[in-house]
Amino acid sequence: QKEVEQNSGPLSVPEGAIASLNCTYSDRVSQSFFWYRQYSGKSPELIMSIYSNGDKEDGRFTAQLNKASQYVSLLIRDSQPSDSATYLCAVNMDGGFKTIFGAGTRLFVKA
Amino acid sequence: GAGVSQSPSNKVTEKGKDVELRCDPISGHTALYWYRQSLGQGLEFLIYFQGNSAPDKSGLPSDRFSAERTGGSVSTLTIQRTQQEDSAVYLCASSPGPNYGYTFGSGTRLTVV
Repeated sequence: QKEVEQNSGPLSVPEGAIASLNCTYSDRVSQSFFWYRQYSGKSPELIMSIYSNGDKEDGRFTAQLNKASQYVSLLIRDSQPSDSATYLCAVNMDGGFKTIFGAGTRLFVKA
Repeated sequence: GAGVSQSPSNKVTEKGKDVELRCDPISGHTALYWYRQSLGQGLEFLIYFQGNSAPDKSGLPSDRFSAERTGGSVSTLTIQRTQQEDSAVYLCASSPGPNYGYTFGSGTRLTVV
């Protein structure tokens, strides 16, 4: 069973702090990795994609990938209350045609 | 359209009835996916369509579930003889192809009473 594991949280951080979200996956040949944000009662929204080892930055978001350790993370700098949501880690498998989602980490940013 | 469109947004049905859920993907997206999300749970893969290839139906939970995609565009997910455990939000997503992220529709909330 190919899996994507996340700490369910909740993760609580104060406004302005760095939030660190982590994810591990089981399929060693996976090539594409994503982070989605899902607000309560809404659909998931793609916020980051990463394909190569290392860091990828987009505004306040940084995705980190370590394929040897089968580990993906998302850092949110200068966290805002509007960042409070569930963050889903997603990994493409089966040649890129199927995405397996983690159960998500709930993030609360306290004002 | 600019996004993925799903209809209806809400559906309440009686146990044992059949329901059809519709998804209209982003124009030009060759891949279309159906997921299910129960309250407070993660996304459960159901089925995907890629171009003219045979769909991957490996996630369909029972033979009461079926889906089709006509003309490489609109897709319909059909649930026959609905059960209470089918109650969930059914999400459709599309992407330009493999290894791309998804754009999700707003979902259909199905309640079986």
